[in-house]
Amino acid sequence: AQKITQTQPGMFVQEKEAVTLDCTYDTSDPSYGLFWYKQPSSGEMIFLIYQGSYDQQNATEGRYSLNFQKARKSANLVISASQLGDSAMYFCAMRDANDYKLSFGAGTTVTVRA
Amino acid sequence: DVKVTQSSRYLVKRTGEKVFLECVQDMDHENMFWYRQDPGLGLRLIYFSYDVKMKEKGDIPEGYSVSREKKERFSLILESASTNQTSMYLCASSLDRASTDTQYFGPGTRLTVL
Repeated sequence: AQKITQTQPGMFVQEKEAVTLDCTYDTSDPSYGLFWYKQPSSGEMIFLIYQGSYDQQNATEGRYSLNFQKARKSANLVISASQLGDSAMYFCAMRDANDYKLSFGAGTTVTVRA
Repeated sequence: DVKVTQSSRYLVKRTGEKVFLECVQDMDHENMFWYRQDPGLGLRLIYFSYDVKMKEKGDIPEGYSVSREKKERFSLILESASTNQTSMYLCASSLDRASTDTQYFGPGTRLTVL
């Protein structure tokens, strides 16, 4: 069974600084996808970034980058140059190649301070 | 852009009522999903559908049923609402089954059962 672990329930970060959100996963399938979503207080889940298990390079999307360490089964999200609008809950998720289902971690709340 | 809409943002119902939550996507996606989100538990899959009239149970299907009569619409039904079904309900859709495939979410429905 898949399992996603996010060990940081909440984090504070100063505006313009970088923040790293931890995510570890467990799967026996060699082919899988890793996703990060942002959920602001409005409730909508917003897709941020994707990393495939066979991708050689770490994924980047604007200020978001994914630090993928396959041997350690970790997929940490790095948000650079934090903005006040980055305050939200962030979820790590994974899906195996032959599965429809996304498995989610419990989430990390990020609060950006001015 | 993918657009997933849900019929209500907020809903208040009484114990024992039959509740319908509607979800519509406009991108001709094959797959649709219903999740519930509770504090500290992340998102848990209730049901999903990979084609019209097809459905599969997720992790927590008890107390729920679904209907997919048209490709763009996926309904979640609480046959007899109970207070432990008070939660945030999120609908999602995705194009196909590839592990690279992103699930896109609607804005969510906050259901309160009194």
